[in-house]
Amino acid sequence: GQQVMQIPQYQHVQEGEDFTTYCNSSTTLSNIQWYKQRPGGHPVFLIQLVKSGEVKKQKRLTFQFGEAKKNSSLHITATQTTDVGTYFCAGLGTSGSARQLTFGSGTQLTVLP
Amino acid sequence: GAVVSQHPSWVICKSGTSVKIECRSLDFQATTMFWYRQFPKQSLMLMATSNEGSKATYEQGVEKDKFLINHASLTLSTLTVTSAHPEDSSFYICSARDSEGSIYPYGYTFGSGTRLTVV
Repeated sequence: GQQVMQIPQYQHVQEGEDFTTYCNSSTTLSNIQWYKQRPGGHPVFLIQLVKSGEVKKQKRLTFQFGEAKKNSSLHITATQTTDVGTYFCAGLGTSGSARQLTFGSGTQLTVLP
Repeated sequence: GAVVSQHPSWVICKSGTSVKIECRSLDFQATTMFWYRQFPKQSLMLMATSNEGSKATYEQGVEKDKFLINHASLTLSTLTVTSAHPEDSSFYICSARDSEGSIYPYGYTFGSGTRLTVV
């Protein structure tokens, strides 16, 4: 079955430093989505990437989708304490009527003030 | 935007009892509902997928007789944990999508989750 690997599992950064998390899928994806989960909360949708090589920006966050549509990254510039949480990528397969999301293992980001 | 209301937010129950978790789509028709389980510091693991009016499809290793899913209407899906045991303690989250396969803003809308503790 489809597997989505995500690294690193944990990342501690000093406030103001940059942060990147990477996702790799075992199969080609229809699209990839990114979610943020605050401690004790539920996943909140951040963005969806659909096109090969696509790059999207949301303020300090930059999302990339690989040319082969099998990998993706999330980069945060100049982290702030409000960025704390676990970031998950979730890949949507290309087949199957259910079109279910497969989540990566998540990267837990800690920002030290 | 799309909203999925999930209740209860947290529940404590005695071992051997059953617990029902509800997810309601408030402003769209949830053709498909996904149920996930998340253990502490782990990722979301898909338990089952349910389509309105039909039987749920369970992922490998998930006992369908233990985790009963009902999706009788386009706005309501329920997950019942039967004969709960301490190892069933977890964070259960539902997620919904509409018939078009995309909900504004094109993500899957998640409920707020239910933290189940079985004592």
